[in-house]
Amino acid sequence: DVKVTQSSRYLVKRTGEKVFLECVQDMDHENMFWYRQDPGLGLRLIYFSYDVKMKEKGDIPEGYSVSREKKERFSLILESASTNQTSMYLCASSTQTSGTRDTQYFGPGTRLTVL
Amino acid sequence: GNSVTQMEGPVTLSEEAFLTINCTYTATGYPSLFWYVQYPGEGLQLLLKATKADDKGSNKGFEATYRKETTSFHLEKGSVQVSDSAVYFCALRKGNKLVFGAGTILRVKS
Repeated sequence: DVKVTQSSRYLVKRTGEKVFLECVQDMDHENMFWYRQDPGLGLRLIYFSYDVKMKEKGDIPEGYSVSREKKERFSLILESASTNQTSMYLCASSTQTSGTRDTQYFGPGTRLTVL
Repeated sequence: GNSVTQMEGPVTLSEEAFLTINCTYTATGYPSLFWYVQYPGEGLQLLLKATKADDKGSNKGFEATYRKETTSFHLEKGSVQVSDSAVYFCALRKGNKLVFGAGTILRVKS
Protein backbone atom coordinates (compact mmCIF):
# COMPACT_ATOMS: atom_id res chain seq x y z
CA ASP A 1 0.00 0.00 0.00
CA VAL A 2 1.38 3.37 -1.00
CA LYS A 3 2.26 5.71 1.81
CA VAL A 4 3.20 9.34 2.24
CA THR A 5 3.86 10.39 5.82
CA GLN A 6 4.35 13.82 7.31
CA SER A 7 6.25 14.43 10.51
CA SER A 8 3.51 16.20 12.45
CA ARG A 9 -0.27 16.51 12.21
CA TYR A 10 -0.38 19.70 14.26
CA LEU A 11 2.34 22.25 14.92
CA VAL A 12 2.33 25.56 16.80
CA LYS A 13 5.24 27.96 16.33
CA ARG A 14 6.04 31.55 17.15
CA THR A 15 6.68 34.37 14.70
CA GLY A 16 10.30 34.41 13.58
CA GLU A 17 11.01 30.77 14.36
CA LYS A 18 12.58 28.50 11.76
CA VAL A 19 10.18 25.65 10.98
CA PHE A 20 10.89 22.31 9.34
CA LEU A 21 8.14 20.15 7.85
CA GLU A 22 9.22 16.67 6.82
CA CYS A 23 7.68 14.36 4.26
CA VAL A 24 8.63 10.77 3.49
CA GLN A 25 7.29 8.48 0.75
CA ASP A 26 7.90 4.76 0.41
CA MET A 27 6.98 4.35 -3.26
CA ASP A 28 10.35 5.23 -4.86
CA HIS A 29 8.67 8.17 -6.59
CA GLU A 30 10.78 10.68 -8.47
CA ASN A 31 8.45 13.67 -8.00
CA MET A 32 7.57 15.27 -4.69
CA PHE A 33 5.46 18.34 -3.99
CA TRP A 34 4.59 20.76 -1.20
CA TYR A 35 1.24 22.54 -1.23
CA ARG A 36 -0.57 24.78 1.17
CA GLN A 37 -4.34 24.53 1.51
CA ASP A 38 -6.44 27.51 2.52
CA PRO A 39 -10.24 27.81 2.55
CA GLY A 40 -11.58 29.20 -0.70
CA LEU A 41 -8.19 28.99 -2.40
CA GLY A 42 -7.81 25.25 -2.85
CA LEU A 43 -4.29 23.88 -3.03
CA ARG A 44 -1.44 26.10 -4.13
CA LEU A 45 1.93 24.68 -5.11
CA ILE A 46 4.86 26.00 -3.08
CA TYR A 47 7.77 23.93 -4.44
CA PHE A 48 8.31 20.65 -6.18
CA SER A 49 11.22 18.35 -6.88
CA TYR A 50 11.65 15.89 -9.73
CA ASP A 51 14.87 14.32 -8.52
CA VAL A 52 17.31 14.28 -5.62
CA LYS A 53 18.84 17.73 -5.05
CA MET A 54 16.60 19.21 -7.76
CA LYS A 55 13.85 21.71 -6.99
CA GLU A 56 11.62 24.13 -8.79
CA LYS A 57 9.49 26.99 -7.53
CA GLY A 58 5.78 26.61 -7.63
CA ASP A 59 3.21 29.37 -7.58
CA ILE A 60 3.87 30.74 -4.07
CA PRO A 61 7.51 30.08 -3.08
CA GLU A 62 8.10 33.33 -1.18
CA GLY A 63 9.06 32.75 2.43
CA TYR A 64 9.76 29.04 1.89
CA SER A 65 12.67 26.85 0.89
CA VAL A 66 13.01 23.10 0.37
CA SER A 67 15.57 20.35 0.64
CA ARG A 68 15.74 16.96 -1.05
CA GLU A 69 18.89 15.10 -0.05
CA LYS A 70 17.38 11.61 -0.43
CA LYS A 71 14.83 10.36 -2.91
CA GLU A 72 12.26 9.43 -0.28
CA ARG A 73 12.41 12.64 1.77
CA PHE A 74 11.34 16.18 0.91
CA SER A 75 11.54 18.92 3.53
CA LEU A 76 9.79 22.28 3.58
CA ILE A 77 11.51 25.05 5.52
CA LEU A 78 10.02 28.28 6.75
CA GLU A 79 13.11 30.42 7.36
CA SER A 80 11.30 32.91 9.61
CA ALA A 81 7.70 31.96 10.26
CA SER A 82 5.03 34.63 9.97
CA THR A 83 1.36 34.62 10.92
CA ASN A 84 0.30 34.59 7.26
CA GLN A 85 1.95 31.19 6.94
CA THR A 86 -0.66 29.67 9.26
CA SER A 87 -2.18 27.02 7.03
CA MET A 88 -2.57 23.33 6.23
CA TYR A 89 0.52 21.97 4.45
CA LEU A 90 0.19 18.92 2.23
CA CYS A 91 2.97 16.83 0.76
CA ALA A 92 2.48 14.64 -2.31
CA SER A 93 4.50 12.36 -4.55
CA SER A 94 4.15 10.88 -8.02
CA THR A 95 6.09 8.76 -10.44
CA GLN A 96 7.44 9.87 -13.80
CA THR A 97 6.57 6.55 -15.39
CA SER A 98 4.37 7.14 -18.42
CA GLY A 99 0.79 5.99 -17.91
CA THR A 100 0.88 6.31 -14.15
CA ARG A 101 2.43 9.72 -13.59
CA ASP A 102 -0.92 11.45 -13.43
CA THR A 103 -1.74 10.31 -9.93
CA GLN A 104 -0.35 12.19 -6.97
CA TYR A 105 -0.39 10.50 -3.57
CA PHE A 106 -0.92 12.78 -0.61
CA GLY A 107 0.10 12.73 3.00
CA PRO A 108 -2.41 13.52 5.78
CA GLY A 109 -1.28 17.12 6.11
CA THR A 110 0.30 19.27 8.81
CA ARG A 111 -1.80 22.03 10.32
CA LEU A 112 0.64 24.79 11.21
CA THR A 113 -0.32 27.69 13.45
CA VAL A 114 2.07 30.63 13.77
CA LEU A 115 1.41 32.85 16.79
CA GLY B 1 -2.80 30.45 -18.14
CA ASN B 2 -4.14 27.20 -16.79
CA SER B 3 -6.91 27.41 -14.23
CA VAL B 4 -9.83 25.44 -12.77
CA THR B 5 -13.12 26.88 -11.55
CA GLN B 6 -15.48 24.91 -9.32
CA MET B 7 -18.91 25.70 -8.01
CA GLU B 8 -18.85 27.22 -4.58
CA GLY B 9 -20.08 25.25 -1.62
CA PRO B 10 -21.03 24.04 0.72
CA VAL B 11 -23.42 21.74 -1.06
CA THR B 12 -25.88 20.16 1.37
CA LEU B 13 -27.92 17.15 0.26
CA SER B 14 -30.10 14.50 1.82
CA GLU B 15 -29.04 10.88 1.59
CA GLU B 16 -29.90 9.27 -1.80
CA ALA B 17 -30.13 12.64 -3.57
CA PHE B 18 -28.48 13.26 -6.94
CA LEU B 19 -25.18 15.13 -6.88
CA THR B 20 -23.62 17.44 -9.43
CA ILE B 21 -20.51 19.51 -8.74
CA ASN B 22 -19.59 21.74 -11.66
CA CYS B 23 -16.02 22.16 -12.87
CA THR B 24 -14.73 24.15 -15.84
CA TYR B 25 -11.17 24.68 -16.90
CA THR B 26 -8.97 26.97 -18.95
CA ALA B 27 -5.90 25.43 -20.54
CA THR B 28 -3.83 25.25 -23.68
CA GLY B 29 -4.24 21.95 -25.45
CA TYR B 30 -6.10 19.05 -23.89
CA PRO B 31 -4.89 18.40 -20.37
CA SER B 32 -5.71 15.36 -18.26
CA LEU B 33 -8.50 16.11 -15.78
CA PHE B 34 -9.02 14.78 -12.27
CA TRP B 35 -11.31 14.75 -9.29
CA TYR B 36 -9.65 14.35 -5.91
CA VAL B 37 -11.53 13.87 -2.63
CA GLN B 38 -10.47 14.84 0.89
CA TYR B 39 -12.28 13.13 3.75
CA PRO B 40 -12.24 14.84 7.17
CA GLY B 41 -8.81 14.75 8.75
CA GLU B 42 -7.12 13.14 5.77
CA GLY B 43 -5.03 14.09 2.76
CA LEU B 44 -6.37 14.09 -0.78
CA GLN B 45 -6.91 10.91 -2.74
CA LEU B 46 -7.62 10.42 -6.40
CA LEU B 47 -11.30 9.74 -7.09
CA LEU B 48 -11.31 9.53 -10.89
CA LYS B 49 -9.62 10.89 -13.98
CA ALA B 50 -9.98 11.31 -17.74
CA THR B 51 -7.09 11.80 -20.11
CA LYS B 52 -8.76 12.80 -23.39
CA ALA B 53 -11.92 14.34 -24.78
CA ASP B 54 -15.12 12.30 -24.32
CA ASP B 55 -13.46 9.99 -21.81
CA LYS B 56 -15.58 9.14 -18.80
CA GLY B 57 -13.89 8.57 -15.47
CA SER B 58 -15.77 6.59 -12.84
CA ASN B 59 -15.19 5.25 -9.33
CA LYS B 60 -17.32 4.46 -6.25
CA GLY B 61 -20.51 5.47 -8.11
CA PHE B 62 -19.08 8.86 -9.13
CA GLU B 63 -18.70 9.80 -12.81
CA ALA B 64 -17.31 12.70 -14.81
CA THR B 65 -17.06 13.16 -18.57
CA TYR B 66 -14.33 15.20 -20.29
CA ARG B 67 -16.18 17.72 -22.47
CA LYS B 68 -13.80 19.75 -24.62
CA GLU B 69 -16.62 21.73 -26.31
CA THR B 70 -17.66 23.21 -22.98
CA THR B 71 -14.25 22.79 -21.27
CA SER B 72 -16.00 21.05 -18.41
CA PHE B 73 -15.57 18.01 -16.18
CA HIS B 74 -18.63 17.93 -13.92
CA LEU B 75 -18.77 15.37 -11.12
CA GLU B 76 -22.02 13.38 -10.70
CA LYS B 77 -23.37 10.67 -8.46
CA GLY B 78 -26.85 9.22 -8.66
CA SER B 79 -27.41 8.56 -4.96
CA VAL B 80 -25.16 10.09 -2.31
CA GLN B 81 -24.46 8.62 1.11
CA VAL B 82 -23.51 10.22 4.39
CA SER B 83 -20.04 8.73 3.93
CA ASP B 84 -19.59 10.86 0.78
CA SER B 85 -19.35 13.99 2.94
CA ALA B 86 -15.97 15.45 2.06
CA VAL B 87 -14.23 18.20 0.09
CA TYR B 88 -14.00 17.58 -3.66
CA PHE B 89 -11.28 19.13 -5.81
CA CYS B 90 -11.22 19.34 -9.59
CA ALA B 91 -7.75 19.54 -11.12
CA LEU B 92 -5.88 19.52 -14.42
CA ARG B 93 -2.36 18.32 -15.14
CA LYS B 94 0.23 20.74 -16.48
CA GLY B 95 3.47 18.85 -17.08
CA ASN B 96 4.23 17.02 -13.85
CA LYS B 97 2.17 19.49 -11.80
CA LEU B 98 -1.50 19.65 -10.92
CA VAL B 99 -3.56 22.84 -10.93
CA PHE B 100 -6.45 22.64 -8.45
CA GLY B 101 -9.78 24.34 -8.12
CA ALA B 102 -10.81 25.91 -4.82
CA GLY B 103 -12.66 22.80 -3.64
CA THR B 104 -16.33 22.17 -2.94
CA ILE B 105 -17.55 21.01 0.46
CA LEU B 106 -20.26 18.35 0.28
CA ARG B 107 -22.42 17.62 3.32
CA VAL B 108 -24.86 14.73 3.18
CA LYS B 109 -27.55 14.50 5.85
CA SER B 110 -29.24 11.27 6.89
